[in-house]
This record gives sequence, structure tokens and C-alpha cells, in this order.
Amino acid sequence: DTGVSQDPRHKITKRGQNVTFRCDPISEHNRLYWYRQTLGQGPEFLTYFQNEAQLEKSRLLSDRFSAERPKGSFSTLEIQRTEQGDSAMYLCASSFGNSPLHFGNGTRLTVT
Amino acid sequence: AQTVTQSQPEMSVQEAETVTLSCTYDTSESDYYLFWYKQPPSRQMILVIRQEAYKQQNATENRFSVNFQKAAKSFSLKISDSQLGDAAMYFCAYRRDSNYQLIWGAGTKLIIKP
Repeated sequence: DTGVSQDPRHKITKRGQNVTFRCDPISEHNRLYWYRQTLGQGPEFLTYFQNEAQLEKSRLLSDRFSAERPKGSFSTLEIQRTEQGDSAMYLCASSFGNSPLHFGNGTRLTVT
Repeated sequence: AQTVTQSQPEMSVQEAETVTLSCTYDTSESDYYLFWYKQPPSRQMILVIRQEAYKQQNATENRFSVNFQKAAKSFSLKISDSQLGDAAMYFCAYRRDSNYQLIWGAGTKLIIKP
């Protein structure tokens, strides 16, 4: 069990640029989740995959956000035309069925 | 809608002493799970303890235990013999039995005084 891996750890980008983050879940986990966390707050749900199917996307997400999990393994989260309000920690988690979530270290995004 | 409330933004405790972190939640469901997660500074979120609502017995993991009061919708975390490594943000979270989404509290920052 190598844990959930996220890349990059930090990303600084200028407003208007596109960014993409990657998450590699624990290998036998079929569920994958993306959360966003701002300073001093709990995580906020973004989207959820079961295998390769994206089963739910938060209504809080604008159309600038898209996530994929093409082969039911790793996942990518893309933010287009970034805005300063997108600055946050983006957390990925995985689980097998209803087992507790295992989180990665997160990707900290700063939009200048 | 389900909500989770952590009323203590920050708590401090002397090393080796005991501290209790509070969490209350609101739900109309009868089957659900409750969790405490720990997030040290700049480090990943780690599961501390979980409780199934159908179990009357309070969950325990080494120095960590919970006081689960289903009728009162209360789920507090007790940390015994506090250690410097326990310093972190602690988040309480709720999940419906048939659902996958976690509903999170705002967190409690725990400070350990040496």
C-alpha cells in the first residue's frame, strides 16, 4: 500500500491559465474523490468516480472544472481559465466500496 | 440536509493530559457513519477513528476514543495522554450509510503545550 499520490504538490499560475492535477489512488480502490479545501475550513466535495464513471459533480463547480478517470485508475482534475478564487488545496481521496477514505497530500494551487 | 458542527475553533492541552473535542450533527437518517480525521500542518488527512451509528459501543483506537450519543446527535473525541505529535486540525465528518459523500465540520485546531 503506497498510499494516494498527488502531483504536483504546489502549483503557482497566473489568472487565466489552465492547470491540471493528477491523482494516483491506492491500486485496489475503486472509488476516487476530489475535494477542495480552503484555509481554516473542512474539505468541500467536488466530484466522485466509481471505477471510470464520474457519478456526481458538485453544483458548486463551474464549467471551468473537469475531471477524468479514463481507465479507472489515476484521475486528472483540470481547471480552465483560472481565477484567484480557485486558490485552494485540492485533495484527492480513494476508497474501496464503503471503506473510509484515504487521502493524498494534496495539491496547493495559488492563482496570482 | 445533513450538517456537522464543531463549535471549538481551537483547543489547547498540556502534554500528557486529556482533551475532548466536540462535534454535533444533524440528520434524519438512522444508519450512518461518523469519522474523526486529523490533518497535521502541511500534511495529509488521516483517519483517526470511525463509528457506525448502529453500534452502541463507543469506538476506541489506542489513546483515542469517542463518546457517541445518538439521541443527542453528539460525537466527541477524547485524546488521552496527549503527545506533541497530536497537534493538528481535527475534522469531524458524517456519511449516510447508502451514500459516499462526507459532510465535514469546520475543524478544531488542537495545540499541545510541552
